[in-house]
Amino acid sequence: GDSVTQMEGPVTLSEEAFLTINCTYTATGYPSLFWYVQYPGEGLQLLLKATKADDKGSNKGFEATYRKETTSFHLEKGSVQVSDSAVYFCALVDLQGAQKLVFGQGTRLTINP
Amino acid sequence: GAVVSQHPSRVICKSGTSVKIECRSLDFQATTMFWYRQFPKQSLMLMATSNEGSKATYEQGVEKDKFLINHASLTLSTLTVTSAHPEDSSFYICSARDPGRNSGNTIYFGEGSWLTVV
Repeated sequence: GDSVTQMEGPVTLSEEAFLTINCTYTATGYPSLFWYVQYPGEGLQLLLKATKADDKGSNKGFEATYRKETTSFHLEKGSVQVSDSAVYFCALVDLQGAQKLVFGQGTRLTINP
Repeated sequence: GAVVSQHPSRVICKSGTSVKIECRSLDFQATTMFWYRQFPKQSLMLMATSNEGSKATYEQGVEKDKFLINHASLTLSTLTVTSAHPEDSSFYICSARDPGRNSGNTIYFGEGSWLTVV
């Protein structure tokens, strides 16, 4: 079945550092890809998405590009802030199939001032 | 603002009682909603797919008689945890897909509901 594998955490960086959180997937169809963020004590918020190969999703300085050839959707940010500390989930959904979101295990990010 | 709203955000109930959690899509009609459960520091586990006007589809290992799902309208799905026990204490979160033409089939999540069974 479909699956998502995320870079293991936790990840700790200093403010203004460059961030990469790796995400790779396996899917039988042509999934849409998402990054969700969960701040402490809160629910999930959509951070960005990409619906087809070579699409780039971006929001709040974060970017991720849908790479079909490497089945990847790595999350990047050029200069992180303390407020970016959260858990980040990579996810896919095959809208032609079961339409269920499949999540990675989540990566906890901590940014130190 | 939020496009999917969950209520209550936090609930404490006694062991043996039942508790209902509501999930509403605010700006769109959702024929399908999803219910997830999240244990501390873990990823989300899909419990069931809620289908408007028909029975929910439960994932393997999820007790359908314990976690009752009702999707009576295109904007409301409810999850009822029946005869709750302390091990049911968890974070429950719903999601709904916006099928609108301009939405890109984006899936939105509710704020989540913290259930504590004492």
